Amino acid sequence: RKEVEQDPGPFNVPEGATVAFNCTYSNSASQSFFWYRQDCRKEPKLLMSVYSSGNEDGRFTAQLNRASQYISLLIRDSKLSDSATYLCVEGGTSYGKLTFGQGTILTVHP
Amino acid sequence: EAQVTQNPRYLITVTGKKLTVTCSQNMNHEYMSWYRQDPGLGLRQIYYSMNVEVTDKGDVPEGYKVSRKEKRNFPLILESPSPNQTSLYFCASTSLQGSYYGYTFGSGTRLTVV
Repeated sequence: RKEVEQDPGPFNVPEGATVAFNCTYSNSASQSFFWYRQDCRKEPKLLMSVYSSGNEDGRFTAQLNRASQYISLLIRDSKLSDSATYLCVEGGTSYGKLTFGQGTILTVHP
Repeated sequence: EAQVTQNPRYLITVTGKKLTVTCSQNMNHEYMSWYRQDPGLGLRQIYYSMNVEVTDKGDVPEGYKVSRKEKRNFPLILESPSPNQTSLYFCASTSLQGSYYGYTFGSGTRLTVV
């Protein structure tokens, strides 16, 4: 079983749509989780950290469910500029040891 | 501007010819790491360093070497590159102080070994 699993998509949605990505992780002792965004052929960039209580940043909401070992990312009112690959990342128990999911491709069309 | 700088951006080389990919950060970060990204496999950690003269293996260290003689630099060395090391490589850094603010990644090095 992969340590971090994501649905690779692709997700094709119209502008204004709400889209949700889920990600499961296998290490029950993991302490930290993140969502990164990666544009084609570019470096990953931190989108948001995921807190146990859930957190929101503008149109983006992240949730963590420790009992079921999954995290989610909700994007509301999708923009064309949201088109990218979204990487689910688990921080493990050793500082700096990040494990990346394979990524979910999102395409937002007019 | 705070950044991680990798060089070169693109490199084509032949099997067995030693090469070095440089990585430098100007944020005084203690932690630096190398990742490779391959289709269907995602980003995998090669080596990481918690500080000067402290390095450790990641998930896929075979065929690579690193050194951390200075805090700002963390070069990746391929002593005898092989075609299966053709990949997109990223260097990243972060601070070990306080809350986690996320990795800063370099722009990537696309390596082709023929």
